[in-house]
Amino acid sequence: NAGVTQTPKFQVLKTGQSMTLQCAQDMNHEYMSWYRQDPGMGLRLIHYSVGAGITDQGEVPNGYNVSRSTTEDFPLRLLSAAPSQTSVYFCASSYSLRGAGMNTEAFFGQGTRLTVV
Amino acid sequence: ILNVEQSPQSLHVQEGDSTNFTCSFPSSNFYALHWYRWETAKSPEALFVMTLNGDEKKKGRISATLNTKEGYSYLYIKGSQPEDSATYLCARSGGGADGLTFGKGTHLIIQP
Repeated sequence: NAGVTQTPKFQVLKTGQSMTLQCAQDMNHEYMSWYRQDPGMGLRLIHYSVGAGITDQGEVPNGYNVSRSTTEDFPLRLLSAAPSQTSVYFCASSYSLRGAGMNTEAFFGQGTRLTVV
Repeated sequence: ILNVEQSPQSLHVQEGDSTNFTCSFPSSNFYALHWYRWETAKSPEALFVMTLNGDEKKKGRISATLNTKEGYSYLYIKGSQPEDSATYLCARSGGGADGLTFGKGTHLIIQP
């Protein structure tokens, strides 16, 4: 099983450019989410989705958009990249009943290291 | 934002010694407590997910306990080995669908 696949692994952007980070999972998980990891901080939730067609904001959603047209895919879009978005991004998925808390493990992608110059 | 606190931030342990570290979290609206191991250049991998007060889980030399009433969990490693070197993350899930709130992690280094 591929699990959670994230692309690209590395990316350098210029300020103002846009890009999409791809995330796909093959475990038929309803719940998918995006986190960012910054030095000295815990993983912080950007956006999440409890199923196809449903998305919601996490702790740090500004500057990012998401969509969930299928169960498998959950892309993260940076609309106009800023240096403050330099970070490592992780996509995660888990089996979770819609609307309930997470009582099963999250599976993480390999991460995308993004630098905005 | 409901803070999850982990201590210590980092820890050096001699190979063969046992160690433990702490995760504290808000006990209100608690649903589950997760522990992950995160090795350098890899992605976090789940160790345990615990939901019930008094829960104890074990995987090999690693075990965890949970106290939901006072809002803390301990992770124990018995007989530390070099391969245990990693950052250990805990994360709390509330009763809603808004995902996990992570602590900053405990960075464990096992010295030969």
